[in-house]
Amino acid sequence: GPKVLQIPSHQIIDMGQMVTLNCDPVSNHLYFYWYKQILGQQMEFLVNFYNGKVMEKSKLFKDQFSVERPDGSYFTLKIQPTALEDSAVYFCASSLGHSAETLYFGSGTRLTVL
Amino acid sequence: GEQVEQLPSILRVQEGSSASINCSYEDSASNYFPWYKQEPGENPKLIIDIRSNMERKQIQELIVLLDKKAKRFSLHITDTQPGDSAMYFCAASDYGNEKITFGAGTKLTIKP
Repeated sequence: GPKVLQIPSHQIIDMGQMVTLNCDPVSNHLYFYWYKQILGQQMEFLVNFYNGKVMEKSKLFKDQFSVERPDGSYFTLKIQPTALEDSAVYFCASSLGHSAETLYFGSGTRLTVL
Repeated sequence: GEQVEQLPSILRVQEGSSASINCSYEDSASNYFPWYKQEPGENPKLIIDIRSNMERKQIQELIVLLDKKAKRFSLHITDTQPGDSAMYFCAASDYGNEKITFGAGTKLTIKP
């Protein structure tokens, strides 16, 4: 089936550093999402993105977070600067239409902030 | 925004018996209810979904029920197998929103 690829699968960085998480969504999908999951817990919505713009973001999407998809390349989540509480697994997802269409998730990037 | 409550958080059932997970939502505008299964270290995968124009949907051993009046929906796994052990997340969204709101998850363990 359709696959969403996330790079890297693991990332360890020092607090205060910048990190960029990369997502290669399903090729014909138009909507892109980031979710945050702390180990074994609920997946929490961060942000969604369509037509080059953020459509909606949650309270978890702090000012230090930003997303972009320059020229149809990777859909990225950048955190600058990182904080200890940013440690989590970040899942990228994409859908053909809006959120009422099937969301396809990537395998996640496990981010550890030391 | 939408809030989704999911219970139980932990569920253990004997192999071959049924498992039921219940969710409730707050926003009456929600009209799409997917269920995702997540195995350890893996990404969540859609296993079944139901839209508000239906009350019941079945795919093999998976049954979902939707009660729009009560704003509740549920997943029932009949004849459970060891491979059904995983985290299960319910979710809700509507065509007007651009996000899916997930429940807190249920860790299902099938005992042999």
